[in-house]
Amino acid sequence: DVKVTQSSRYLVKRTGEKVFLECVQDMDHENMFWYRQDPGLGLRLIYFSYDVKMKEKGDIPEGYSVSREKKERFSLILESASTNQTSMYLCASSQGAKNIQYFGAGTRLSVL
Amino acid sequence: AQSVSQHNHHVILSEAASLELGCNYSYGGTVNLFWYVQYPGQHLQLLLKYFSGDPLVKGIKGFEAEFIKSKFSFNLRKPSVQWSDTAEYFCAVSPIGNQGGKLIFGQGTELSVKP
Repeated sequence: DVKVTQSSRYLVKRTGEKVFLECVQDMDHENMFWYRQDPGLGLRLIYFSYDVKMKEKGDIPEGYSVSREKKERFSLILESASTNQTSMYLCASSQGAKNIQYFGAGTRLSVL
Repeated sequence: AQSVSQHNHHVILSEAASLELGCNYSYGGTVNLFWYVQYPGQHLQLLLKYFSGDPLVKGIKGFEAEFIKSKFSFNLRKPSVQWSDTAEYFCAVSPIGNQGGKLIFGQGTELSVKP
């Protein structure tokens, strides 16, 4: 089974802090994704990566950056956390054209 | 812009009732289609998928979905729901050929099944 592991289930941070969300997958997948999930808005793509050191902006990249130094790890960075970034963050990975994405358990981030 | 629309935000059913959740997308090219489910407190998991061939696809736990190309729709169905089907359901579309395999998700439908 594919396993996508997010380092934290819950995080509480203060406004202005730099926040790192980590994601690791164990299936050698090429593609990795970061979404945020908000009630009534579904999942919105923040950034994705289709190879090591490659990154592409998704639909809502503002206020975020990412890092993919190794194939299995994809990090989401909030440079200066703000209260409107309070949300559930989901990481996913996939491989190949069929693009079945496998998701982690999510990190619920609260920015106070 | 490509988008996915789920018609119902919250559906409440009694056990044994039939279920149909609507999903429409806007994209003129070829797509792969997915339904994902998120049970309370659990991670998002794949319910079923359509790539090509028979437009009626069957997934886990008795769910099925029908792709109607002319209507740009991929509705999810189940003949008889159970309390354990209480969850949030997401329709997603992946335009074929997009680099990195982006998925476009609908807003989600919360299903509550009364015992």
